[in-house]
Amino acid sequence: AQTVTQSQPEMSVQEAETVTLSCTYDTSESDYYLFWYKQPPSRQMILVIRQEAYKQQNATENRFSVNFQKAAKSFSLKISDSQLGDAAMYFCAYRNAGNMLTFGGGTRLMVKP
Amino acid sequence: DSGVTQTPKHLITATGQRVTLRCSPRSGDLSVYWYQQSLDQGLQFLIQYYNGEERAKGNILERFSAQQFPDLHSELNLSSLELGDSALYFCASSVTPRGGEKLFFGSGTQLSVL
Repeated sequence: AQTVTQSQPEMSVQEAETVTLSCTYDTSESDYYLFWYKQPPSRQMILVIRQEAYKQQNATENRFSVNFQKAAKSFSLKISDSQLGDAAMYFCAYRNAGNMLTFGGGTRLMVKP
Repeated sequence: DSGVTQTPKHLITATGQRVTLRCSPRSGDLSVYWYQQSLDQGLQFLIQYYNGEERAKGNILERFSAQQFPDLHSELNLSSLELGDSALYFCASSVTPRGGEKLFFGSGTQLSVL
């Protein structure tokens, strides 16, 4: 079974600074997808960014980018120019062709003004 | 707004009872997923439907069942409820069940079993 590990239960960043959230996963498959989801206090799960495992280029969405290291099974999320609205729980997730989306335990990000 | 609607938003019930959670997917989405989020178990995949058929099953208890109706809305039935079933239950939808498809989540149903 696939597992997703987020080793940082909590992270803190100063407004306008950059922060990196870590994620590692375990799989024996070659075809899969990786995601970062944000869960603000409203509880809504919001997709932040998606990465296809077959693509070497790291995905980028505005201030959000990933560092995908396939051999190391690592998928970190970098948030640049952090804003107060970025404060939330962030979940790393893995999905294979079998469709099940497996989530990590989450990282709570706090943004200090 | 993700376009996925879940009702009710909050549900308080007693042990041993049965409840039904409802999910309406985004317009055009054929695939529906149910997830349970609890403090001790985190986010757990329960079950997936695609166009009315069960597609994948995760850690869903035998006391729980689900179905997807011809109009594509889905219901999750939880019976013989226990205190440990208290959790936030999410529904998500996607156009197809393909692995790369983005999942759009509803805002969840918070179930409290007293």
